[in-house]
Amino acid sequence: EDKVVQSPLSLVVHEGDTVTLNCSYEVTNFRSLLWYKQEKKAPTFLFMLTSSGIEKKSGRLSSILDKKELFSILNITATQTGDSAIYLCAVLNAGNNRKLIWGLGTSLAVNP
Amino acid sequence: DGGITQSPKYLFRKEGQNVTLSCEQNLNHDAMYWYRQDPGQGLRLIYYSQIVNDFQKGDIAEGYSVSREKKESFPLTVTSAQKNPTAFYLCASSSPLVPDTQYFGPGTRLTVL
Repeated sequence: EDKVVQSPLSLVVHEGDTVTLNCSYEVTNFRSLLWYKQEKKAPTFLFMLTSSGIEKKSGRLSSILDKKELFSILNITATQTGDSAIYLCAVLNAGNNRKLIWGLGTSLAVNP
Repeated sequence: DGGITQSPKYLFRKEGQNVTLSCEQNLNHDAMYWYRQDPGQGLRLIYYSQIVNDFQKGDIAEGYSVSREKKESFPLTVTSAQKNPTAFYLCASSSPLVPDTQYFGPGTRLTVL
C-alpha cells in the first residue's frame, strides 16, 4: 500500500532557528513529490520535486529529493512567526489513477 | 483574478439533511478534486474529475455525490448516508500543463448538529 510519512509530527522552535522537515515515501510509480504550507485554511503550493539531488529554493525555504532513499526534506532557515503552519508532503502515483498520496503533515510553531 | 472559490465558508446542518458544497474555478483547469480533512489525519480524496461529464470515486466516496456538468464547477453533495460528515472540505484543481500540482480553494467547514 502506498504511504507517505512525515516527521516530526510537530515542532516548536524560536524565531531565527533553522528547521528541517522530513518526508519519506513508499509509492509505486513515483512521479513527483510536492510540499504545501497550510495556515488554517487552504494548502498553498511550495515546491514540486521530480529529480534527485536538485535543490528547489524560494527565499528562506528549500527542498531536495532523494529518489534512491525515498525521502525529501524541507528546510526553513531564519524562521519567523509567519512560518507557523502545517507543512504537508504529497507524492503523485503516476499509475492509472494519478492520485496524490498525502502525509499527515508537520505542525510547526515558531515562537517569538 | 484567477482562482478557486468555495462557498459557503461555514455550514451547519442537522442530521438527516443533504447539503451541497460549491466549488468554482476560473483557471481553465480540466481536473478538479474534493478532499476531506479531519484533525490528525491527512487529506483524503472523496471524488475527482479529469474532464467534464466524467468523475471517479476516491478513497472515501461513500455518502457523497458529485456532478461535473461544467468545466468551472464541481459541486459536492454530502448526503444523509455519510456517517461522520463534520469536517473541513477542500476543493482543488489542476492544469493539464502541470497536472501534478493541485491548487486549493479556501475550504468549507461543515458541522452537523
